[in-house]
Amino acid sequence: DIQMTQSPSSLSASVGDRVTITCRASQSVSSYLSWYQQKPGKAPKLLIYTASTLQSGVPSRFSGSGSGTDFTLTISNLQPQDFATYYCQQSYTTPSITFGQGTRLEIK
Amino acid sequence: QVQLVQSGAEVKKPGASVKVSCKASGYTFTSHYMHWVRQAPGQGLEWMGIINPTDGSTAYAQKFQGRVTMTRDTSTTTVYMELSSLRSEDTAVYYCGRRSHFANYFDYWGQGTLVTVSS
Repeated sequence: DIQMTQSPSSLSASVGDRVTITCRASQSVSSYLSWYQQKPGKAPKLLIYTASTLQSGVPSRFSGSGSGTDFTLTISNLQPQDFATYYCQQSYTTPSITFGQGTRLEIK
Repeated sequence: QVQLVQSGAEVKKPGASVKVSCKASGYTFTSHYMHWVRQAPGQGLEWMGIINPTDGSTAYAQKFQGRVTMTRDTSTTTVYMELSSLRSEDTAVYYCGRRSHFANYFDYWGQGTLVTVSS
């Protein structure tokens, strides 16, 4: 099974900051990598798919990059509504998928 | 608009079974596979399996093989996830999620169903 490891597990930042979250796969997943945002008590929301494609309606301050085993999610100009938990997900081993363990983004 | 509406919260005793439903609307039901994912309290997301609404074919995570059954009813555009032999570790929020056309990711999610397993 492909393992997905996110770092950091949590981070604190301020409104207006730029933050980067990393997701590393235990083997290559090509560009089959998605990012989700989840707020407490809510279902996850798709942000980015195929590593760098922004889902319709998602603000452009969110961006994704990477391929193979190393991926990043970058949030520029953090807004209050961006404080949440973020998950990466690989779909290289379709139909099965794997999520990272999550990164909690908190207000400093 | 696309909607996935799940059934309400359940409380079950250890050893029992639970069946969660996910009613789809706003799109052609048979055009998209449906995943099931669960999230234990304070934990991450765990994939359980996927169903093809067209023919009912399924693929399950190895962890749940033998305990999970996913089915669908095309007449009501509803998919179901049944988990048997429940134990306390199965206490979680269960989500259905629609598979995108383009790749194996979730473009829409249900609101989640809390299943509590307690004696």
